[in-house]
Amino acid sequence: GAVVSQHPSWVICKSGTSVKIECRSLDFQATTMFWYRQFPKQSLMLMATSNEGSKATYEQGVEKDKFLINHASLTLSTLTVTSAHPEDSSFYICSARAGAKRAFFGQGTRLTVV
Amino acid sequence: GESVGLHLPTLSVQEGDNSIINCAYSNSASDYFIWYKQESGKGPQFIIDIRSNMDKRQGQRVTVLLNKTVKHLSLQIAATQPGDSAVYFCAENRDNNDMRFGAGTRLTVKP
Repeated sequence: GAVVSQHPSWVICKSGTSVKIECRSLDFQATTMFWYRQFPKQSLMLMATSNEGSKATYEQGVEKDKFLINHASLTLSTLTVTSAHPEDSSFYICSARAGAKRAFFGQGTRLTVV
Repeated sequence: GESVGLHLPTLSVQEGDNSIINCAYSNSASDYFIWYKQESGKGPQFIIDIRSNMDKRQGQRVTVLLNKTVKHLSLQIAATQPGDSAVYFCAENRDNNDMRFGAGTRLTVKP
């Protein structure tokens, strides 16, 4: 299957700082990328959907000014958690899809805010 | 369908038995469904998919059944092995190409 690379796989940051997570589709062009958040023992919660070259569509309750998403090219989307706080600590997962085909997932990023 | 913040239901089976994991979806216009497996600390991995014009699809040791009448999807794993222990999610592709996940089920295989 297609490969989606997410980086970093884990990050620890201080409260108040910003963290950027990258999601790359390595062998296909991703017209759509999705960002999810997952708390321990819970399901994946869709945060936002981004289409290349346009603004991301955020789910209800997700602060767009706090979780900045950029999908500048067909192979790269970034999620920036701004002014991170301990409650933002979570597992963040991206997925990428070409057209209407199935989505492929990155390996996830474990964010810990101290 | 969309499940936010729900704790995962669990299924425990004996090694060698068959497992059946169920999922209800919400949108009757959804046309494509996928089962994913997620191991601890990793991203979901594709297992099998099915389009809405089918009601059954088989893979290696896995079968997906789709009942559009009641908006129900199931994943059957034959001869379950310890390596099958993971969380399993169904996902529906909605008519706007949004992909939404079900609540997930934690499968534990006892040796």
